[in-house]
Amino acid sequence: GENVEQHPSTLSVQEGDSAVIKCTYSDSASNYFPWYKQELGKRPQLIIDIRSNVGEKKDQRIAVTLNKTAKHFSLHITETQPEDSAVYFCAASIGTGKSTFGDGTTLTVKP
Amino acid sequence: GAGVSQTPSNKVTEKGKYVELRCDPISGHTALYWYRQSLGQGPEFLIYFQGTGAADDSGLPNDRFFAVRPEGSVSTLKIQRTERGDSAVYLCASSLGLGLAGAAETQYFGPGTRLLVL
Repeated sequence: GENVEQHPSTLSVQEGDSAVIKCTYSDSASNYFPWYKQELGKRPQLIIDIRSNVGEKKDQRIAVTLNKTAKHFSLHITETQPEDSAVYFCAASIGTGKSTFGDGTTLTVKP
Repeated sequence: GAGVSQTPSNKVTEKGKYVELRCDPISGHTALYWYRQSLGQGPEFLIYFQGTGAADDSGLPNDRFFAVRPEGSVSTLKIQRTERGDSAVYLCASSLGLGLAGAAETQYFGPGTRLLVL
């Protein structure tokens, strides 16, 4: 089955700096790669996603890149703010099937 | 309409007891997913429904776990003879479930039920 690995497990940056989180997946049939932000005690919230027919997608300060050949995708957050502090999860899925999640990255943005 | 809702928000039970966790998906969503999230880990897939039927139950850890969705809307996750290792947050998600040519769909999560087995 699908295996998703996420790095780093913790990331600390200064406010205004950029943050990058990377994930790799194993199943070349995966065609959907969402990123979720989860604050303590809350539900995972979708922040951006990318489909396998696209190489890059951007939404304001957040961007995601996908390299299908290497089977890896990355989340980029620019101009980080303290409210960006949370746990971020990547995931991979095929169609409407189950999502396989990474183990999360705890991002801390220091004011 | 409203998002995915789950009840109860918290459940404390004793080892060996039976529990039921409920999920109300977004209205009109035919696909429904159950995940389990342990502390410090990502959500782990349990089961996926398309309408009333379980399309993929490969994530259920053993036969103590069972889920139903009799009318294709509300789903109940049932855990028999609970064990301390079952303690986790149980998350439910739903998506449109159109399944158009294998196109991916966004899954929207509920707030979860925090289960503690003493």
